[in-house]
Amino acid sequence: SAVISQKPSRDICQRGTSLTIQCQVDSQVTMMFWYRQQPGQSLTLIATANQGSEATYESGFVIDKFPISRPNLTFSTLTVSNMSPEDSSIYLCSVEEGLAGETDTQYFGPGTRLTVL
Amino acid sequence: AQKVTQAQTEISVVEKEDVTLDCVYETRDTTYYLFWYKQPPSGELVFLIRRNSFDEQNEISGRYSWNFQKSTSSFNFTITASQVVDSAVYFCALIPDSSYKLIFGSGTRLLVRP
Repeated sequence: SAVISQKPSRDICQRGTSLTIQCQVDSQVTMMFWYRQQPGQSLTLIATANQGSEATYESGFVIDKFPISRPNLTFSTLTVSNMSPEDSSIYLCSVEEGLAGETDTQYFGPGTRLTVL
Repeated sequence: AQKVTQAQTEISVVEKEDVTLDCVYETRDTTYYLFWYKQPPSGELVFLIRRNSFDEQNEISGRYSWNFQKSTSSFNFTITASQVVDSAVYFCALIPDSSYKLIFGSGTRLLVRP
């Protein structure tokens, strides 16, 4: 499977500031996803990062709060804007891999552990 | 409704015990895909297995085995002779064929005590 890296691995930020998380893949992938995992909870899909077009956001997530870039097929960024303590979570990116014509398996990056004070 | 239920919030066993993690799913699609992921304390999500709805064969991989039963909409995961390194949160997930999105269960925290 593809090797996925994320930067930073963790950060502690002050409320009102913004943090940009990077996701790098070692091969070209069509679909990249961003998830949030609040403490003790399951994963929630934030958005699908589309190369060359705007991200597709899930209900409850908006572009102003979570702007996403996808400049090419191996890289994406997620920004958490105007942070509050409620944004303290693990943020994970994932990519799809599989056979042509088949629903793919998602593989995840190591995650970014964010704490907002 | 499309959903995944992991009714066991937390399980604690002693090393070398066998343990089964339950997963029940709901989907209106006739074709769908089921997954198990492991999340150790470090936080990364590790893919364990994928099962297509048209393939009901059970699978064994070392100490891990998976029992897929369409009749009961279940996809249970058994760890044989558990080890301390198996301590993690385990997530069951579903992709219905009508969607590319992963639907996660709430996870089961497994603690294996020495």
